[in-house]
Amino acid sequence: AQKVTQAQTEISVVEKEDVTLDCVYETRDTTYYLFWYKQPPSGELVFLIRRNSFDEQNEISGRYSWNFQKSTSSFNFTITASQVVDSAVYFCALSSYYGGATNKLIFGTGTLLAVQP
Amino acid sequence: NAGVTQTPKFQVLKTGQSMTLQCAQDMNHEYMSWYRQDPGMGLRLIHYSVGAGITDQGEVPNGYNVSRSTTEDFPLRLLSAAPSQTSVYFCASSYAPGQYGYTFGSGTRLTVV
Repeated sequence: AQKVTQAQTEISVVEKEDVTLDCVYETRDTTYYLFWYKQPPSGELVFLIRRNSFDEQNEISGRYSWNFQKSTSSFNFTITASQVVDSAVYFCALSSYYGGATNKLIFGTGTLLAVQP
Repeated sequence: NAGVTQTPKFQVLKTGQSMTLQCAQDMNHEYMSWYRQDPGMGLRLIHYSVGAGITDQGEVPNGYNVSRSTTEDFPLRLLSAAPSQTSVYFCASSYAPGQYGYTFGSGTRLTVV
C-alpha cells in the first residue's frame, strides 16, 4: 500500500524565518516518484518539484530546497527566509511505477503554512 | 494554451439534484483524473481515465460517474447529490502523471444543501 503522511497540520512563522515542511511516505515499490504542490489562498494547485526514487540529490531552487532521504522515507521541503507570499497549503504526493507509467498520485493531507509579517 | 478548464467555479445544489462538472484540456494529454479536496483529508482520487473510452474508479467513486468520449473532455456526473459531496473538485490531466505529476484545473466549489 502507498501512503503519504504530513504530520504538520499547520505551521505559523514570522517573515524571514526558515521553515521545514515534513513529508514521510510508504511504498513497497523500488521505483517511485515524489512531488510537492503549493495551493495558495486563491485555490489553484501549483506544481513545485518532482523527484524519482533513484535520485537522492538534494535540490535547491532560490529560497526553496528539498531533502530526499530514502533511508528514512522522507522528502522534506525547506523555505529559507520565508515571505508572506509563501503562505499556502503545501501537499506532498507519491506515485509508483509498476513496470509502466501509473496514473495515480497519492496525496498527503497537506500542511497549512502561515507567514506573518 | 488554456491548460485545464473547469466549469462552473461555484455551484450550489439541493439534495437529490443531479449535475455535471465539466473539464476540458487542450494539451492532448491521455491521462485525466478527478480529485476531491476536503478539510484535513488532502486530495482523494474519484475517477481517472487513461485515454478516450477508458475510465476506472479511484479511492472514492461512489455517487459519481464519468465518461471519456474524447481526449479533451472528462466530465464528472453527480447522479443524486448528497451533503457528503460538498467539496472542492479538481480535474487534472497529464502526459504521464506517475512520472511528471498533474496539471490541475482551478477547481469547482460545490455545496449540497
